[in-house]
Amino acid sequence: AAGVIQSPRHLIKEKRETATLKCYPIPRHDTVYWYQQGPGQDPQFLISFYEKMQSDKGSIPDRFSAQQFSDYHSELNMSSLELGDSALYFCASSFGLVNNEQFFGPGTRLTVL
Amino acid sequence: GIQVEQSPPDLILQEGANSTLRCNFSDSVNNLQWFHQNPWGQLINLFYIPSGTKQNGRLSATTVATERYSLLYISSSQTTDSGVYFCAVTNAGGTSYGKLTFGQGTILTVHP
Repeated sequence: AAGVIQSPRHLIKEKRETATLKCYPIPRHDTVYWYQQGPGQDPQFLISFYEKMQSDKGSIPDRFSAQQFSDYHSELNMSSLELGDSALYFCASSFGLVNNEQFFGPGTRLTVL
Repeated sequence: GIQVEQSPPDLILQEGANSTLRCNFSDSVNNLQWFHQNPWGQLINLFYIPSGTKQNGRLSATTVATERYSLLYISSSQTTDSGVYFCAVTNAGGTSYGKLTFGQGTILTVHP
């Protein structure tokens, strides 16, 4: 079965640079979630989209923005990167917004030097 | 927001042993999922179980929503079961549509 695809899998950036993470949900899934997992931490919710509209927002820095496109893929844009942004970034998808199982991608490991 | 507590925080087993992991949550939930995070960082879906009992091979899970807890049972553990086990829930109340709140995880180490 098709899974959630994330690219790139690994990314190394310098401080103050920008990064773009991409997420391709499972076919026919209309909801995408982004989570950030710091070293030794549990994943924290950043933002979600349902049918291309933002549905919820968590502790996402103002330096980050995201959107969901007409083909349901999503991109997380991160600017003015800081050392503390180094983390594993997960995208998850589901069919529908409520009461539905979320499936996670393999994650993008971002390292900011 | 909803609080999720997992216990124990760490668990060390010999191969072949059984174990029970617990997840307590502070409010009513629409969704409860158990994940295994392997050493490569991937989050593997184990169970989607907002209520009731499910079994998948050596793993089973039970959620008692009215008492706000869930249990994950691992039988005949293997070294490949090592990793971090997360419980995650979505709060039934408020306007938090779909977002998962994770517990701190249980770090499981299985020795041969």
